[in-house]
Amino acid sequence: KAGVTQTPRYLIKTRGQQVTLSCSPISGHRSVSWYQQTPGQGLQFLFEYFSETQRNKGNFPGRFSGRQFSNSRSEMNVSTLELGDSALYLCASSVVVALGSGANVLTFGAGSRLTVL
Amino acid sequence: GQQLNQSPQSMFIQEGEDVSMNCTSSSIFNTWLWYKQDPGEGPVLLIALYKAGELTSNGRLTAQFGITRKDSFLNISASIPSDVGIYFCAGPLVFGKGTRLSVIA
Repeated sequence: KAGVTQTPRYLIKTRGQQVTLSCSPISGHRSVSWYQQTPGQGLQFLFEYFSETQRNKGNFPGRFSGRQFSNSRSEMNVSTLELGDSALYLCASSVVVALGSGANVLTFGAGSRLTVL
Repeated sequence: GQQLNQSPQSMFIQEGEDVSMNCTSSSIFNTWLWYKQDPGEGPVLLIALYKAGELTSNGRLTAQFGITRKDSFLNISASIPSDVGIYFCAGPLVFGKGTRLSVIA
């Protein structure tokens, strides 16, 4: 069974640019969530998607957006990049027990490491 | 939003020693999850706890769901070099900042 696949694994952008990250969940997993990981803040929740709808959103500015497609694949976009957006962006999929619930066991991808110069 | 306080932030231990780490929340949780992240990888689930007072083991790992439902503990017995990594506690849409474990052979 294939795991969660994130692309690209590494990318470098400059301030002001935008970036799109992709996530393919485990087959049969309909929920996809995104997290930002930085050394100072740890893992911070960005969004949770289920059935192509954003169900929960973390405390991030509107420059961070996402979407989910009918095949459960998800993308996230960050516009007008800032230096502070440099981070590892992790996607996780789950078989939903309850949206926004801690009971949803997450299977993470290896992440997309974004460096903003 | 919810915050999880995880401690310690880092630990340096000798191979063979036992390790303890804990996590506290300002809110009552119905589930506690513990994950481990190896370098260059995403976190992987270690143990899931679903009931207050529950004590669950996974090999050398043991985790407990606190009676108050606001805390959880993870213990690792007889540590080995492959235990190196970052351990996270997690609740609903929130993660602790992690405990970075280093094992000295």
